[in-house]
Amino acid sequence: EAGVAQSPRYKIIEKRQSVAFWCNPISGHATLYWYQQILGQGPKLLIQFQNNGVVDDSQLPKDRFSAERLKGVDSTLKIQPAKLEDSAVYLCASSPRTQGISTEAFFGQGTRLTVV
Amino acid sequence: LAKTTQPISMDSYEGQEVNITCSHNNIATNDYITWYQQFPSQGPRFIIQGYKTKVTNEVASLFIPADRKSSTLSLPRVSLSDTAVYYCLVGVLMFSGGYNKLIFGAGTRLAVHP
Repeated sequence: EAGVAQSPRYKIIEKRQSVAFWCNPISGHATLYWYQQILGQGPKLLIQFQNNGVVDDSQLPKDRFSAERLKGVDSTLKIQPAKLEDSAVYLCASSPRTQGISTEAFFGQGTRLTVV
Repeated sequence: LAKTTQPISMDSYEGQEVNITCSHNNIATNDYITWYQQFPSQGPRFIIQGYKTKVTNEVASLFIPADRKSSTLSLPRVSLSDTAVYYCLVGVLMFSGGYNKLIFGAGTRLAVHP
């Protein structure tokens, strides 16, 4: 089956510019996650969707970050305006609705953002 | 969510067995223990999941004692390609909503040497 697709793979922008990342999860997966991973650190959860509803956005800097999940499928994450400290890899992941017992999520390759 | 503690880094040699222990003292009754692996420039990849006792798959084994306050990921006969960061997660399975909360810590950087 096709994996989680993310684009672009790399992006370089100047501070105060805006940027958007796109994620296409695995077909049929109800849960979609966006993580921010700064070099040398573990992934930090920014926002989690269940279908097209937000179940956790407690660590999303809402003054500059926004995310939406269109019709419970694709998702976009936007940063406006970007700061130098936003330089990181942005990872998208998806997982199916847990019919049984599974904590497996499938990750995309990420988008590496550099803010200069 | 339960806080996890694991070593920052470990070194091993090809062919050896590697055991990475994770401490999760305040694990809740409905928490499952999950391990992910991450190679450079890639997203994390699910390795194994367990609730209690021992779980084994084609990649690793997971040992969980009766009190569930810790767990050990065991990688048999590692190779250079096992060099990666390994994350221990204590995920809450939200049965009512049918989704998981997956919170990553800093992980353990495993370096396998020739």
